[in-house]
Amino acid sequence: GAVVSQHPSRVICKSGTSVKIECRSLDFQATTMFWYRQFPKQSLMLMATSNEGSKATYEQGVEKDKFLINHASLTLSTLTVTSAHPEDSSFYICSARSGTSGSGYEQYFGPGTRLTVT
Amino acid sequence: DAKTTQPTSMDCAEGRAANLPCNHSTISGNEYVYWYRQIHSQGPQYIIHGLKNNETNEMASLIITEDRKSSTLILPHATLRDTAVYYCIVRPPYSGAGSYQLTFGKGTKLSVIP
Repeated sequence: GAVVSQHPSRVICKSGTSVKIECRSLDFQATTMFWYRQFPKQSLMLMATSNEGSKATYEQGVEKDKFLINHASLTLSTLTVTSAHPEDSSFYICSARSGTSGSGYEQYFGPGTRLTVT
Repeated sequence: DAKTTQPTSMDCAEGRAANLPCNHSTISGNEYVYWYRQIHSQGPQYIIHGLKNNETNEMASLIITEDRKSSTLILPHATLRDTAVYYCIVRPPYSGAGSYQLTFGKGTKLSVIP
């Protein structure tokens, strides 16, 4: 199956600083990438959807100026958490979807990035 | 809106078949049933998907009822490594418009017991 990587896998930062998380599709071109957030013992919540070369679409309640998403190429999307606060501590997961298939298609997930803000 | 209903948790003895049910009584005619699982502190892993017919791959089998209102994911010989949260998701096919993101419910926590 297709592989999606994330970097870093874990990051600890101080309150007020910014953190960038990378999401790469390693063996396919991802026309669309998704960013999810998962708090402990909860399910994944979609934060935003990004299409290559376009501005990201954010879900209701997600601050676009705080969570900056860039999808500059078909294999790379980045999520930057700006002015991070302890409440931003979470498990951030990206996923990537390849081009069209007409029928069902798979969405491939990265391994996740554990962000801890102190 | 919750489009699927799954039991909160299930146990299965190692080596036995794990049968995970999912209710999707409001599914539309062109919507697919997808199954993903998430092992602790990892990203979700695609397992299988289907539309009407039963499907089988190297990981699992998917049985969809004739009326498509429910389905069952079958892990034929569960191992300890199959302990995870299993998500059943209903989604329309890609048609060239829209992003068709996956909406995750709470899933079923499957514990495989030695």
